[in-house]
Amino acid sequence: AQSVSQHNHHVILSEAASLELGCNYSYGGTVNLFWYVQYPGQHLQLLLKYFSGDPLVKGIKGFEAEFIKSKFSFNLRKPSVQWSDTAEYFCAVTGGSWGKFQFGAGTQVVVTP
Amino acid sequence: SAVISQKPSRDICQRGTSLTIQCQVDSQVTMMFWYRQQPGQSLTLIATANQGSEATYESGFVIDKFPISRPNLTFSTLTVSNMSPEDSSIYLCSVGGFGGVNTGELFFGEGSRLTVL
Repeated sequence: AQSVSQHNHHVILSEAASLELGCNYSYGGTVNLFWYVQYPGQHLQLLLKYFSGDPLVKGIKGFEAEFIKSKFSFNLRKPSVQWSDTAEYFCAVTGGSWGKFQFGAGTQVVVTP
Repeated sequence: SAVISQKPSRDICQRGTSLTIQCQVDSQVTMMFWYRQQPGQSLTLIATANQGSEATYESGFVIDKFPISRPNLTFSTLTVSNMSPEDSSIYLCSVGGFGGVNTGELFFGEGSRLTVL
């Protein structure tokens, strides 16, 4: 069965600090990988996605993620965070063709001024 | 992407009653799903809403408790029946395949926050 594990439930960091959120998945086949973000009071939005090709994926707002197949990982990074990056971040996985999404538990990120 | 509207955005209900949540998309979509996000937890897929036929439910969710309709390519409803406090949650409509084109990603409504007393 598919599963997604996010390593940190809460992260607090200062503005300009670097951010890395871990995501590992368990799935026996081709996967599509996603990071979604939910800003306070807003709906889930797609940050970035990986289907195939270059394992380093760039998304919106300066975020990027790296797919490491051998480690079953898809970690999210941002070199320098801003206060506006305070949000909850969800990693998600689905099968190669259109399928059900499996979400991680989410990581609450708080960026302090 | 398009606009995904859910109604109600929030509600407080009494135990034993039922509530129907509506999801309206402003363009045709191939796929519509209903998710639940319980307090402090991740999103869990309830079911896939199939146009013109019965929804496909995930393990742990049944039609009697969560009847779903999808009469066309832009609209779906989820009913939470015979509610108990354990049903207090955010219910999310998600869609994919705008205009019949599958980009592989899901788009989400703003959710309906349900509190059962």
